[in-house]
Amino acid sequence: AQSVTQPDIHITVSEGASLELRCNYSYGATPYLFWYVQSPGQGLQLLLKYFSGDTLVQGIKGFEAEFKRSQSSFNLRKPSVHWSDAAEYFCAVGSTGGFKTIFGAGTRLFVKA
Amino acid sequence: GAVVSQHPSRVICKSGTSVKIECRSLDFQATTMFWYRQFPKQSLMLMATSNEGSKATYEQGVEKDKFLINHASLTLSTLTVTSAHPEDSSFYICSASVGNSDTGELFFGEGSRLTVL
Repeated sequence: AQSVTQPDIHITVSEGASLELRCNYSYGATPYLFWYVQSPGQGLQLLLKYFSGDTLVQGIKGFEAEFKRSQSSFNLRKPSVHWSDAAEYFCAVGSTGGFKTIFGAGTRLFVKA
Repeated sequence: GAVVSQHPSRVICKSGTSVKIECRSLDFQATTMFWYRQFPKQSLMLMATSNEGSKATYEQGVEKDKFLINHASLTLSTLTVTSAHPEDSSFYICSASVGNSDTGELFFGEGSRLTVL
C-alpha cells in the first residue's frame, strides 16, 4: 500500500541551528516527491519537489532535500533555521497531474530564540 | 507560479444550513481540482477529485450527497456542505494541478475554516 511516514510529530530547534525533517515513503512506482509547508490557518506552499534527475534538490527559502531510493527516504534539510520557518511541514508522494497524492501526517517545527 | 484562491476563508453557519466554498484558479485552467479536509493537527484527507464538466470522484467514506462538488468551468470548482452539522466543522482546502504538468505539483488555495454551530 502507498504511504508516507513522517516519524516526528514535532521538532524544536534553536534559531540558527540546522534542521532535518524525516520522510519515508512506500510507493509502487517511481514516486514524485514533495515537501509542502503550511502556516497556521493557511493553505500549503510547495518548498521543493523531486521526480527525476539529481537526487539532491534545492527549494525555496534555503531548503533542500535528498532522495535516497535505497532507504525510501526524502528528508528535508536546512543549514540554518530562521524563526519564520516555524510551521507545519508535509511530505507527500504523488503522480502525474497530482492524482493519488498522499500526504504524511506532518511535522510541526518550533523555533526557539 | 499558479495561483489558486479559495473563498470564503472563514464561515460560521447554523446547523442544518448549507454552505458553499469556492475554489478558483486565477491564472491557469484547471481541468482537475482536489478537495481536502484537514482536522486540527492532522494531515490532509482527500475528499474528492473534481473534474471539469463531469461528476466528481469521491473517496471511500465521503458522502457525496453531503458534500456536493461542482466543477462547471475550467477555473472554478465549488464544494457545498449540505445540511451542515457541528461534526462537519473543519478546515477545507482545495488544490489544482496545472494542465499538461508532468510534475504532479499541486497548487493550494488558502483554505476555508467552517464552523457549524
